[in-house]
Amino acid sequence: DAKTTQPPSMDCAEGRAANLPCNHSTISGNEYVYWYRQIHSQGPQYIIHGLKNNETNEMASLIITEDRKSSTLILPHATLRDTAVYYCIVRVAYNTDKLIFGTGTRLQVFP
Amino acid sequence: EPEVTQTPSHQVTQMGQEVILRCVPISNHLYFYWYRQILGQKVEFLVSFYNNEISEKSEIFDDQFSVERPDGSNFTLKIRSTKLEDSAMYFCASGGEVGEQFFGPGTRLTVL
Repeated sequence: DAKTTQPPSMDCAEGRAANLPCNHSTISGNEYVYWYRQIHSQGPQYIIHGLKNNETNEMASLIITEDRKSSTLILPHATLRDTAVYYCIVRVAYNTDKLIFGTGTRLQVFP
Repeated sequence: EPEVTQTPSHQVTQMGQEVILRCVPISNHLYFYWYRQILGQKVEFLVSFYNNEISEKSEIFDDQFSVERPDGSNFTLKIRSTKLEDSAMYFCASGGEVGEQFFGPGTRLTVL
């Protein structure tokens, strides 16, 4: 799996959009970008994944650059409950192997 | 919405004792995993399980660890003789063919 780089921490005001970047310059053609988050020692929670097109679900949007070397997870209206560590993971889709977690980005949403 | 459950939420044990951590995966999932997270550190993979056998295990998963799916619903992690350094949050996860993994809330294991 390709390596990812994320900023260690970010702040966001409640109600504003939180934009979390991830660099994955060594991503392969068959690898997808997955995002998980972990709220204060709870189990990691799947958020979204994508290959090259932008993706949106009820939790977030995922914007992947055209060259696929980086992506941004967008929480459109952050709430205090979105305070968590966000992990960007690159892996082959439909792959049932282990997830490899890095250190992620600690997002702090403030009132 | 179906979810992974784990019991107990917190287990305190003496060093050298055996512990069994229990998980009920999502019912139609076929792939099962255990991860752990030592306080302040990354989430680490321990073992994956499919078709009643271990698919992959990490270096952490030594002879003191074992997994079992004793019936159609439970998935257990046993630590035979706990050590102080086994103190951690243990997360069970399950997944289907698509590759997404769904995690339980975790069991906090404290070894004294």
